[in-house]
Amino acid sequence: QKEVEQNSGPLSVPEGAIASLNCTYSDRGSQSFFWYRQYSGKSPELIMFIYSNGDKEDGRFTAQLNKASQYVSLLIRDSQPSDSATYLCAVAFMGDMRFGAGTRLTVKP
Amino acid sequence: DAGVIQSPRHEVTEMGQEVTLRCKPISGHNSLFWYRQTMMRGLELLIYFNNNVPIDDSGMPEDRFSAKMPNASFSTLKIQPSEPRDSAVYFCASSFSGTGELFFGEGSRLTVL
Repeated sequence: QKEVEQNSGPLSVPEGAIASLNCTYSDRGSQSFFWYRQYSGKSPELIMFIYSNGDKEDGRFTAQLNKASQYVSLLIRDSQPSDSATYLCAVAFMGDMRFGAGTRLTVKP
Repeated sequence: DAGVIQSPRHEVTEMGQEVTLRCKPISGHNSLFWYRQTMMRGLELLIYFNNNVPIDDSGMPEDRFSAKMPNASFSTLKIQPSEPRDSAVYFCASSFSGTGELFFGEGSRLTVL
């Protein structure tokens, strides 16, 4: 059974702080890792992907991958109220793409 | 350029009725995914197609659910007969190669009374 686990939250951080979102996955053969953001009532949209161990930075977002620990995380620096959304971790293997339940993030002004 | 197009956006039906959800993927994408999203279970993969061929339908909950992709530009998800527990938002998504970025449609919100 391929599983992707996330803390459902809610996670609340003050504006300007760092938000840290975590995800673990069960399938060691997983190849690609993604973070999607979903605003309430909207469809998910991709914000970052990572394929190799280590860190990948894109603006205020940093994705971290540790395949040995089967762990992927997303850091959001200088959090803004507009970052308030549900963040979904997704894991791909041979074309299959599975999502975690999502972590609801609230950034308070 | 049009994104993934789903219809209907909203469907309210009575238990026992047949429901058909439709999806037009982005032109040029060769993978198509159907997901179901509920508060309790999150975003569940129901089935995905690669080059119009169903690859993994292990997420289809029961025989009441069926999906087809007769050509590269159209897919359907059918529920017959529908039950109240089928109430959810059903998303269609497409991608190129299947392991890249998924582009989601706006979803079809199904309510079965």
